[in-house]
Amino acid sequence: KAGVTQTPRYLIKTRGQQVTLSCSPISGHRSVSWYQQTPGQGLQFLFEYFSETQRNKGNFPGRFSGRQFSNSRSEMNVSTLELGDSALYLCASRLGDRVTQETQYFGPGTRLLVL
Amino acid sequence: DAKTTQPPSMDCAEGRAANLPCNHSTISGNEYVYWYRQIHSQGPQYIIHGLKNNETNEMASLIITEDRKSSTLILPHATLRDTAVYYCIVSLYNDYKLSFGAGTTVTVRA
Repeated sequence: KAGVTQTPRYLIKTRGQQVTLSCSPISGHRSVSWYQQTPGQGLQFLFEYFSETQRNKGNFPGRFSGRQFSNSRSEMNVSTLELGDSALYLCASRLGDRVTQETQYFGPGTRLLVL
Repeated sequence: DAKTTQPPSMDCAEGRAANLPCNHSTISGNEYVYWYRQIHSQGPQYIIHGLKNNETNEMASLIITEDRKSSTLILPHATLRDTAVYYCIVSLYNDYKLSFGAGTTVTVRA
């Protein structure tokens, strides 16, 4: 079974621009979560999508948004980029039914550099 | 809001077992212990998880103390490719997020 895929793998943007990152979950997984990883703050939860709806959100400004499509693929968008948005953005998928024990599986990440 | 304590770093000789400790003294009865590792600049890789019993898979073994306040991840025969940051995470089975702490940086030396 193919793992979680993320595109692009690397991205360079300038301040004030916006960026869209894409994530394809493992087949059959309906929950997609996004995390931001920086050297100073470590891995921090951004939001989770399930069945095209944002189910949970972390403590990030409104410039960070996302969406999920009917095939469970997800995108996250960051508008008005700031230097501090430079980070590794990770996507994780799981079944999402919350009934049984679930394991989150992570993608390789998208490395974003804001200049 | 990580609920675990891990040593910041440890070294291990190639071919030897690596024993990674984790303290989670405030764990509740329905929280699992998960272990992930992250090799430099890659996404975290799931290793193993457990609730009460010891667990083993093709990657590692997880030993959980009877009172569940601590656990040990065992890499039976460490290789250079096992050099990574190892995260011990306590989470409910249906929690929507994983709370990562600083982890343990494991360096396997030839």
